[in-house]
Amino acid sequence: GQQVMQIPQYQHVQEGEDFTTYCNSSTTLSNIQWYKQRPGGHPVFLIQLVKSGEVKKQKRLTFQFGEAKKNSSLHITATQTTDVGTYFCAGHNNTGKLIFGQGTTLQVKP
Amino acid sequence: ETGVTQTPRHLVMGMTNKKSLKCEQHLGHNAMYWYKQSAKKPLELMFVYNFKEQTENNSVPSRFSPECPNSSHLFLHLHTLQPEDSALYLCASSPFGTSYQETQYFGPGTRLLVL
Repeated sequence: GQQVMQIPQYQHVQEGEDFTTYCNSSTTLSNIQWYKQRPGGHPVFLIQLVKSGEVKKQKRLTFQFGEAKKNSSLHITATQTTDVGTYFCAGHNNTGKLIFGQGTTLQVKP
Repeated sequence: ETGVTQTPRHLVMGMTNKKSLKCEQHLGHNAMYWYKQSAKKPLELMFVYNFKEQTENNSVPSRFSPECPNSSHLFLHLHTLQPEDSALYLCASSPFGTSYQETQYFGPGTRLLVL
């Protein structure tokens, strides 16, 4: 079946360092969504990208949707302890089903 | 916080028990979802309801039985569960229905432990 893979699975960074997580789909996606789940919490929607090659920014977070609409990335500049959590990408496939990646868990050392 | 509430937040049950999880969304959304989140696994979609009608069942064992009496409420009835069913069960909703590729709004989840 269709898969959405995220790498890395875990990332430990020193506060102030940058962080990037990558999302790759086996098939073309209609859109890409990113969610953040804090430890002990639930996934919370961050952003949606729809257009090929689209780039969006939210403060220190930069989201990109690939030209082929099969991959995406989330980059955090100068991480802070509040960035700790698991970041999930998800995309709608051609049947309208939302497929989640397995997430990247970010730990930030103060 | 997000307009989607779930009860109970924590549940411990034996394999012979019967229990129900409840989800309520206060957002006026038309679609509701049940997900299972286990450690080190992607979110697993279990059931989808669109305008109260079940539109998706992802090969979920019959010991999980969903119920959607109206667009605001979703239940997951549990019986004769197995220890491997222990997980965080998340409810989500989306505004216009599953035909629209929308954001999903998640509830806080019910953390289930099956002994």
